Amino acid sequence: EPEVTQTPSHQVTQMGQEVILRCVPISNHLYFYWYRQILGQKVEFLVSFYNNEISEKSEIFDDQFSVERPDGSNFTLKIRSTKLEDSAMYFCASSEAQGTERRHFGDGTRLSIL
Amino acid sequence: GQNIDQPTEMTATEGAIVQINCTYQTSGFNGLFWYQQHAGEAPTFLSYNVLDGLEEKGRFSSFLSRSKGYSYLLLKELQMKDSASYLCAVRGYSGYSTLTFGKGTMLLVSP
Repeated sequence: EPEVTQTPSHQVTQMGQEVILRCVPISNHLYFYWYRQILGQKVEFLVSFYNNEISEKSEIFDDQFSVERPDGSNFTLKIRSTKLEDSAMYFCASSEAQGTERRHFGDGTRLSIL
Repeated sequence: GQNIDQPTEMTATEGAIVQINCTYQTSGFNGLFWYQQHAGEAPTFLSYNVLDGLEEKGRFSSFLSRSKGYSYLLLKELQMKDSASYLCAVRGYSGYSTLTFGKGTMLLVSP
């Protein structure tokens, strides 16, 4: 079965530094998402992306965050100036259509801010 | 606002049946999802309900009552590998993409 792949699996960064998390969604999918999960807490929606623009975003997704689809396969999440509270597991997901019930999640990138 | 409640933990025995409940209060309703998440892994899709009633899929079934703001996930013939966190997530009217997740129910299956 096709998979969503994320790199790196673990990223350690100094506070204040920029970080880019990378995702390769399933090739025929059109909708892409980022979620995060702080250790021991619930999964939280960050942003959805379609047709090269953000379609929805949550309150968490402030000006420090940005997303990009730099080419035909990659989907990235950038955090401009990381804070300690950005430490979390970040999941990328993709789906064929916006309403489809099945979102395919990647294995996540664990981001640790020191 | 969105509020989703699930029990924090449940335990059950291999071969048994377990029901995991989820109640929600959301600004609009446009579907309820159940995901399974093993420790340190990504959530994997289990089921989706948008109309009232029971959806059955092998050993897993999910029920929805929109008037009561209530759903349950029923797991039959439990196996050790079913030990995981089960996440209830609701899509409201705030956005078609936006899923609001509950904190998850950690299920421990013992021999």
